[in-house]
Amino acid sequence: EVQLVESGGGLVKPGGSLRLSCAASGFTFSSYSMNWVRQAPGKGLEWVSSISSSSSYIYYADSVKGRFTISRDNAKNSLYLQMNSLRAEDTAVYYCARDSDSGWPLDYWGQGTLVTVSS
Amino acid sequence: SYELTQPLSVSVALGQTARITCGGNNIGSKNVHWYQQKPGQAPVLVIYRDSNRPSGIPERFSGSNSGNTATLTISRAQAGDEADYYCQVWDSSTRVFGGGTKLTVL
Repeated sequence: EVQLVESGGGLVKPGGSLRLSCAASGFTFSSYSMNWVRQAPGKGLEWVSSISSSSSYIYYADSVKGRFTISRDNAKNSLYLQMNSLRAEDTAVYYCARDSDSGWPLDYWGQGTLVTVSS
Repeated sequence: SYELTQPLSVSVALGQTARITCGGNNIGSKNVHWYQQKPGQAPVLVIYRDSNRPSGIPERFSGSNSGNTATLTISRAQAGDEADYYCQVWDSSTRVFGGGTKLTVL
């Protein structure tokens, strides 16, 4: 059974940093691209970042470019999101989600971890 | 950047057919995916690559895509179908979501 479990969320002050993790199991992690998608309270889904299976290709939404860094450790079946210079508008539930090649869907999602940026 | 437009809300009578649209420039040339999200839960894939259903998704869910509009159709709507629905495409290696549609089953 495919499982994605996020952790690392919490309350952080504006300008602060946080590192999210996503532990994957039930599939060959090193064969899939991975993504972070967020959802602000009461709002829709917003794609944040993606990383290819071998980390060769990394992409970010304009809203987080230069502040967030996505990475992965295929030996540990884990995905990460380093978030720096956090702003109030980064407050959201952050989901990790799996996809694969271009044009394929985000077929499995974790349950999400809440990040709250507030003083 | 590519934009997807969805109606904020759609209502459907119990047992009738609901149609949720997703508009985008020449979206018919892209693969469209649809997700269902119920309150407090993670999104679930219900249609992928325009019209394909993942395992476990009822046949009542179907999709189409042509021109500038993709459509998610839910036949014989049930109370359990009440949720937010999002369309999604790839655009230049990024993933783009529509704003979401709240489906109400009356």
